[in-house]
Amino acid sequence: QVTLRESGPALVKPTQTLTLTCTFSGFSLSTSGMCVTWIRQPPGKALEWLALIDWDDDKYYRTSLETRLTISKDTSKNQVVLTMTNMDPVDTATYYCARSDFYTTGSYYFDYWGQGILVTVSS
Amino acid sequence: DIQLTQSPSFLSASVGDRVTITCRASQDINIYLAWYQQKPGKAPKLLIYGASTLQNGVPSRFSGSGSETDFTLTISSLQPEDYATYYCQQLNSFPRITFGPGTKVDI
Repeated sequence: QVTLRESGPALVKPTQTLTLTCTFSGFSLSTSGMCVTWIRQPPGKALEWLALIDWDDDKYYRTSLETRLTISKDTSKNQVVLTMTNMDPVDTATYYCARSDFYTTGSYYFDYWGQGILVTVSS
Repeated sequence: DIQLTQSPSFLSASVGDRVTITCRASQDINIYLAWYQQKPGKAPKLLIYGASTLQNGVPSRFSGSGSETDFTLTISSLQPEDYATYYCQQLNSFPRITFGPGTKVDI
């Protein structure tokens, strides 16, 4: 059974760095084809892809946020961490982590999601 | 980035209705398109990938079709649990992944 769970602060101040952790079970990020991604959704708005890390430790970022994002994995702990620097109120959103199984679906479709964590940026 | 537009943005339908949602891409994305269903306060759920492949466990009343720039999600007979917002997503330009703006299906 695949599960993912996001953890981190619910409130951050402007200019601070946000660190979110995705803890997962039911698969291993050392298995070929497995990926974990981060997506966010501002209140009442659409989904926005942020970053992805794959089984081979390749990392991909949203172009417009690339300078602020860092994604990393700890395979032994089954965790993926996303950091976002210089937080702003416009970054207020629910942040989700999700899994992709590249070799089953043929691409990076997100087949399992965490429940999400609402992060509010306010002083 | 490839832009996705969805129509309609809002849809009012009754139980038993056949519902069709359209997603249009700003350029050819082959069949690298997925559909997700999101209920209020919940994470999105993958329904369709590869434009027409039904994800495991998704009811067969959901179907997808299309290629290149024009895609549709069809619910053959709307059920009470299908009231939700539906998003399309393209992966052809990976890593420039984009989502559509969503279509809300309401009573």
